[in-house]
Amino acid sequence: NAGVTQTPKFQVLKTGQSMTLQCAQDMNHEYMSWYRQDPGMGLRLIHYSVGAGITDQGEVPNGYNVSRSTTEDFPLRLLSAAPSQTSVYFCASSALAGGTDTQYFGPGTRLTVL
Amino acid sequence: AQSVTQPDIHITVSEGASLELRCNYSYGATPYLFWYVQSPGQGLQLLLKYFSGDTLVQGIKGFEAEFKRSQSSFNLRKPSVHWSDAAEYFCAVAASGGSYIPTFGRGTSLIVHP
Repeated sequence: NAGVTQTPKFQVLKTGQSMTLQCAQDMNHEYMSWYRQDPGMGLRLIHYSVGAGITDQGEVPNGYNVSRSTTEDFPLRLLSAAPSQTSVYFCASSALAGGTDTQYFGPGTRLTVL
Repeated sequence: AQSVTQPDIHITVSEGASLELRCNYSYGATPYLFWYVQSPGQGLQLLLKYFSGDTLVQGIKGFEAEFKRSQSSFNLRKPSVHWSDAAEYFCAVAASGGSYIPTFGRGTSLIVHP
């Protein structure tokens, strides 16, 4: 099993550009989440999904969109990048709800917005 | 809503010394509690979790944690630290009853001196 994979590993954007961070898992997990990690802030939940076709907002959803058309994939879209979105982004999946089960994390995407 | 505090931003220990990382939570009922470790440039990996039962929980890599309801704490311990334990450690808490959303602490950075 590859587990949770994320692409790209690094990305530099200019303010106003859009892009999609990819996340895929091969463990047939129903639950998937996106977090951002900023220095001294820990991980903050952006969006999560409890199954294909179902998504919901987390703590810091503004400026991000998600969709879940398949169990395996959970892409995160930045609509119009801003410097405040410079961060490291982690995707995670779990068999049960993220608060009640082990979450498996991808290696992260380091995003810089100029 | 639940919250979690990791009072120590950095902890420095000598190799072979014992370790205790502190975690305090705020939640009205018994929470679900987790410790994750993040090695440099990597995603997070679960060390151990507590849902119910024995309040002393054993995890991977020789770590253990003890749930103390009276102190609202879930401190992580290791009797003898190895240089490879140098990493960022995150405590997380979730509300019992099927919460989708765990809350992460801000993390404690462990530095190990030879």
